[in-house]
Amino acid sequence: TQLLEQSPQFLSIQEGENLTVYCNSSSVFSSLQWYRQEPGEGPVLLVTVVTGGEVKKLKRLTFQFGDARKDSSLHITAAQPGDTGLYLCAGARNNAGNMLTFGGGTRLMVKP
Amino acid sequence: GAGVSQSPSNKVTEKGKDVELRCDPISGHTALYWYRQSLGQGLEFLIYFQGNSAPDKSGLPSDRFSAERTGGSVSTLTIQRTQQEDSAVYLCASSSGRGVYYGYTFGSGTRLTVV
Repeated sequence: TQLLEQSPQFLSIQEGENLTVYCNSSSVFSSLQWYRQEPGEGPVLLVTVVTGGEVKKLKRLTFQFGDARKDSSLHITAAQPGDTGLYLCAGARNNAGNMLTFGGGTRLMVKP
Repeated sequence: GAGVSQSPSNKVTEKGKDVELRCDPISGHTALYWYRQSLGQGLEFLIYFQGNSAPDKSGLPSDRFSAERTGGSVSTLTIQRTQQEDSAVYLCASSSGRGVYYGYTFGSGTRLTVV
């Protein structure tokens, strides 16, 4: 059982559609990050959220940290083929120092 | 360097052989991490180095796995007597020590295949 559960695991949509990816846990996190990974590359940081209820926007991507800091969501508006990739959430717990725990990932495919 | 460098990018080895994977972190980053990723799944923590502190080895799956970090910079992950279940992408990351807020910078990984 993973500490961070991501859903859905796979998502295939058409260009222009909207989507939401969820990252859930029973544990409280001091911060939560989202990464995007393309084939053959390492994950690249998209955003860090720290405050419960925080919302951050990055162009067509909207990230939200739950009020209780146990969950997060990533919403993509008008998805484009360039959004295709593996999306990973990662959380830091207060008693884990400078460590991140990663979720299992959501693999997104956006078809033209 | 400008980014985290890992070598080799691909490694095919026979079952039972030892392998060494290398990671060159970003200059000045005090924290270095090794993760393993199987079949495009999530990342499994292996080991974490922070400055001169003793490494956190709690994620190493067996005593066949070991890692060292020399001079607070380059790190080597060694897998002895490789098994087929060791096949995965091994990712190295570094951070400035505040990675939980400013994020990790990952290398491109080493794809290890044990045949």
